[in-house]
Amino acid sequence: DGGITQSPKYLFRKEGQNVTLSCEQNLNHDAMYWYRQDPGQGLRLIYYSHIVNDFQKGDIAEGYSVSREKKESFPLTVTSAQKNPTAFYLCASSIYGTGGTEAFFGQGTRLTVV
Amino acid sequence: AQTVTQSQPEMSVQEAETVTLSCTYDTSESDYYLFWYKQPPSRQMILVIRQEAYKQQNATENRFSVNFQKAAKSFSLKISDSQLGDAAMYFCAYREGYSGGSNYKLTFGKGTLLTVNP
Repeated sequence: DGGITQSPKYLFRKEGQNVTLSCEQNLNHDAMYWYRQDPGQGLRLIYYSHIVNDFQKGDIAEGYSVSREKKESFPLTVTSAQKNPTAFYLCASSIYGTGGTEAFFGQGTRLTVV
Repeated sequence: AQTVTQSQPEMSVQEAETVTLSCTYDTSESDYYLFWYKQPPSRQMILVIRQEAYKQQNATENRFSVNFQKAAKSFSLKISDSQLGDAAMYFCAYREGYSGGSNYKLTFGKGTLLTVNP
């Protein structure tokens, strides 16, 4: 079945460590997105990408990095520079070029700093 | 920058009744798309309904319908015959239309938590 897979489902990070969240899709979508969800804050855009080897900062990119080496994959690294990384992270993808097409979401990764 | 505002952090409705969730947005674009997503306790985001700005007719999907007021930049969601399974967080979202160079961001509101009482 086609879809978006995020892994791991739960992730624990020690202070000062970098961690990478995985996002893979087999929907042949060009556009991919990373969102952070905090209580009462909705979904805030971290990074997005429309094409391989290109990506743009979203509204809260500081302390995060991404890569887009393959169409199917858009990993997110939470660096030690991110001061408050504990949150729920959602990856999404969509067709690029037709604005009416909705984004499809993965099941999320819950990151906790310990 | 486009912004999406959901002014009701929480709403409740009796089973079988009707409830309306509000959403307003700010944009200078004429071509854009609006969405309502549902996030149940599983946290899986599910598309409820979409609306193209160029269409005057309000979108409808079974018990879900929208009231799209383009001039007022308002996009409310009406849920009829509410069911226990409708209990969830509901997010309104905005995306620019495709124009080759658009940034294609998908912007969300902060959400409305809907409780359905039996």
